[in-house]
Amino acid sequence: DAGVTQSPTHLIKTRGQQVTLRCSPISGHKSVSWYQQVLGQGPQFIFQYYEKEERGRGNFPDRFSARQFPNYSSELNVNALLLGDSALYLCASSLNLGSTEAFFGQGTRLTVV
Amino acid sequence: AQSVTQLDSQVPVFEEAPVELRCNYSSSVSVYLFWYVQYPNQGLQLLLKYLSGSTLVKGINGFEAEFNKSQTSFHLRKPSVHISDTAEYFCAVSGVEQGGKLIFGQGTELSVKP
Repeated sequence: DAGVTQSPTHLIKTRGQQVTLRCSPISGHKSVSWYQQVLGQGPQFIFQYYEKEERGRGNFPDRFSARQFPNYSSELNVNALLLGDSALYLCASSLNLGSTEAFFGQGTRLTVV
Repeated sequence: AQSVTQLDSQVPVFEEAPVELRCNYSSSVSVYLFWYVQYPNQGLQLLLKYLSGSTLVKGINGFEAEFNKSQTSFHLRKPSVHISDTAEYFCAVSGVEQGGKLIFGQGTELSVKP
């Protein structure tokens, strides 16, 4: 079985642009979470989605948004990119909302120039 | 709210030596505790987790961790490390009622030298 897949793996954008990152969870998993990992730091929680509804949001500005589709895949959108948005964006897949184990994808490395 | 502090940013150690990576947490509610490993240019892999019960938890690759509620600690140990254990290690906490939202520490870089 495929694990959590994220696309693209690498991305370079210019300040002010918009970006969309994609995540496909493990088959059968209904919950997807997004994390931002700035170089040299631990991942920070951005969003959690379950059954297409937002179930948690971290301390990120409104420039960050996400959605989950009927097939449980998810997109993370970031508008008006800043240099500080450069990071590894990780998607985590869980079976259900209260699952105690999250499976992480390889991440999307976003560089804003 | 929860927070996690990993007390060492870098831990150099020789191959076959024991290692301990330290983690302290703070929380006003009951928590689950986790250790993840991240190899270069990869995502996170779960090493072990504490949910309840025995305070000594065994994980993959010979790692184990001990939950100490009075000291709010969850230190990771391995009796004999290998070169292949070189990676970044993250301690994380999740509130029992918070549906899996993970709060991570800053990470500890384990460097195993021959």
